[in-house]
Amino acid sequence: DAKTTQPTSMDCAEGRAANLPCNHSTISGNEYVYWYRQIHSQGPQYIIHGLKNNETNEMASLIITEDRKSSTLILPHATLRDTAVYYCIVRVGFSGGSNYKLTFGKGTLLTVNP
Amino acid sequence: KAGVTQTPRYLIKTRGQQVTLSCSPISGHRSVSWYQQTPGQGLQFLFEYFSETQRNKGNFPGRFSGRQFSNSRSEMNVSTLELGDSALYLCASSGFETQYFGPGTRLLVL
Repeated sequence: DAKTTQPTSMDCAEGRAANLPCNHSTISGNEYVYWYRQIHSQGPQYIIHGLKNNETNEMASLIITEDRKSSTLILPHATLRDTAVYYCIVRVGFSGGSNYKLTFGKGTLLTVNP
Repeated sequence: KAGVTQTPRYLIKTRGQQVTLSCSPISGHRSVSWYQQTPGQGLQFLFEYFSETQRNKGNFPGRFSGRQFSNSRSEMNVSTLELGDSALYLCASSGFETQYFGPGTRLLVL
């Protein structure tokens, strides 16, 4: 699985958009970008994933650059409950993978301030 | 659809004892993975079971074992507990698109 690089921490004002970057310059053509978050002492929560195109769901938007070497997770209107560690993970899709192991890095601690 | 459930949620054991943790995956999911999370090592993959077979294993000693039943429910066992086994143990169930995590079992070894 490709290695990812994320900032250690970020701050965001409540109500503003939170933009969390992730670099994955060694991503392979069949690897997806997955985002999870973990609120203190809870299990990681799946947010969104994508291969090439930008994706949006009820939680967030994922913007992947054309060369796929980096991506940005966007929380459009951050709330205090969005304070969490956000993990960017790159791996082959689950449907075609021979295993379902996720490799977590240290992630980005996003702190949403009132 | 119900999420991943784990029991018990909290557990206190003493060194040398053994412990069994249980995980019920999302209905229809055949893969169950286990992870250990500690402040020092972060989230680390323990093993994955698919259709009752261990398909992948992380770098943990043999004291850590698991199994999966025909209904996809899974258990993990840790024998001869050590202080360093104190951690949050997470179970994840995988479907077609991605992996979903349970709330975890927090184990404290005294």
